[in-house]
Amino acid sequence: QQQVKQSPQSLIVQKGGISIINCAYENTAFDYFPWYQQFPGKGPALLIAIRPDVSEKKEGRFTISFNKSAKQFSLHIMDSQPGDSATYFCAASRYQGAQKLVFGQGTRLTINP
Amino acid sequence: DTAVSQTPKYLVTQMGNDKSIKCEQNLGHDTMYWYKQDSKKFLKIMFSYNNKELIINETVPNRFSPKSPDKAHLNLHINSLELGDSAVYFCASSHTLESYNSPLHFGNGTRLTVT
Repeated sequence: QQQVKQSPQSLIVQKGGISIINCAYENTAFDYFPWYQQFPGKGPALLIAIRPDVSEKKEGRFTISFNKSAKQFSLHIMDSQPGDSATYFCAASRYQGAQKLVFGQGTRLTINP
Repeated sequence: DTAVSQTPKYLVTQMGNDKSIKCEQNLGHDTMYWYKQDSKKFLKIMFSYNNKELIINETVPNRFSPKSPDKAHLNLHINSLELGDSAVYFCASSHTLESYNSPLHFGNGTRLTVT
């Protein structure tokens, strides 16, 4: 059972455009929603995270929008750059002595110059 | 460099063999994890150790056995390797704090290929 569903699987955006990746979750007990960025041959690295008591969090060009009632959250990348080309994963967890992150399927983002 | 480091980076072996992957972190974290990334890039947690104690043990074949000699190290031993074990295995670490204050730091992965 896929507890976190991510879309789209792949996304191509022109340089300077807005990249939007969406995720939906099922478990209302989740209390932490991070986004990870992964470059080829590297491990995932935390990009930005949000708690469910906040509807939006912005860090530089990256914004998470969170809709608790709809059980959905999304990543917006403003002014997308070729260096943003990577695979993005949304995740969710409920802390239980350790972080049991449940990941979405990933979105391969390509920013065309 | 402060980091989560895994060895080896690549591991090619035949079915039926036993192999180990080592992980070390020098971030001062006390919780360590193993995640598996399959060919479709799907990431799934396998195990988590907190200060050498097993905290999370997902539905993983018992051919997989984690071992934590101390809180800075978490190794993964795999017995009787099967073709389906081919994947990228990531080690990660974090503090024992609520998730928001302690994000996971991942290593760069070990690509295991079973032939």
